[in-house]
Amino acid sequence: TQLLEQSPQFLSIQEGENLTVYCNSSSVFSSLQWYRQEPGEGPVLLVTVVTGGEVKKLKRLTFQFGDARKDSSLHITAAQPGDTGLYLCAGVRTDSWGKLQFGAGTQVVVTP
Amino acid sequence: NAGVTQTPKFQVLKTGQSMTLQCAQDMNHEYMSWYRQDPGMGLRLIHYSVGAGITDQGEVPNGYNVSRSTTEDFPLRLLSAAPSQTSVYFCASSSQGRGNQPQHFGDGTRLSIL
Repeated sequence: TQLLEQSPQFLSIQEGENLTVYCNSSSVFSSLQWYRQEPGEGPVLLVTVVTGGEVKKLKRLTFQFGDARKDSSLHITAAQPGDTGLYLCAGVRTDSWGKLQFGAGTQVVVTP
Repeated sequence: NAGVTQTPKFQVLKTGQSMTLQCAQDMNHEYMSWYRQDPGMGLRLIHYSVGAGITDQGEVPNGYNVSRSTTEDFPLRLLSAAPSQTSVYFCASSSQGRGNQPQHFGDGTRLSIL
């Protein structure tokens, strides 16, 4: 069982549509991070959320951290083909300093 | 700007062989870690280090050894390779391990065990 459960596992949408990816856990996290990974490369950090209830915007991407710091979501508005990739959430539990653990990822495909 | 460098990029081993995956970073980061990535499993933490001389186990440490004699290097050793260790291995570094600093990843080592 993954510490961080991501849903959906796979998402295929048309350019211009919106999408939301979820990252849920029963554990409390000091912070959560979102990464995007493209084929043949390592993940690259998109954002870090540290405060319960926090909302961060990065152009067309909106990230939320749940009030209880157990879950997060990533919303993409008007998706573009360049948004295609594997989206991963990651976090360190408040009682496991140093152990950064990842969810299984959501594969997003945006077609023109 | 080298960042995190992993070698080799590809390797094929026979069952029972041993080998070392190299990882070096030039950012003076205290925190380094190793992950393996398998289809549908995301990245699973193998071992991590919060500084030179200090290492600890992650989620899936069995069959792997690490050491951290310098800040820059964090090699991962497979003691006796098994087909279940076929995977893509990523090394990452960060200024610290609290999870609120960016993890910088290498490009991965693709390892096949026959």
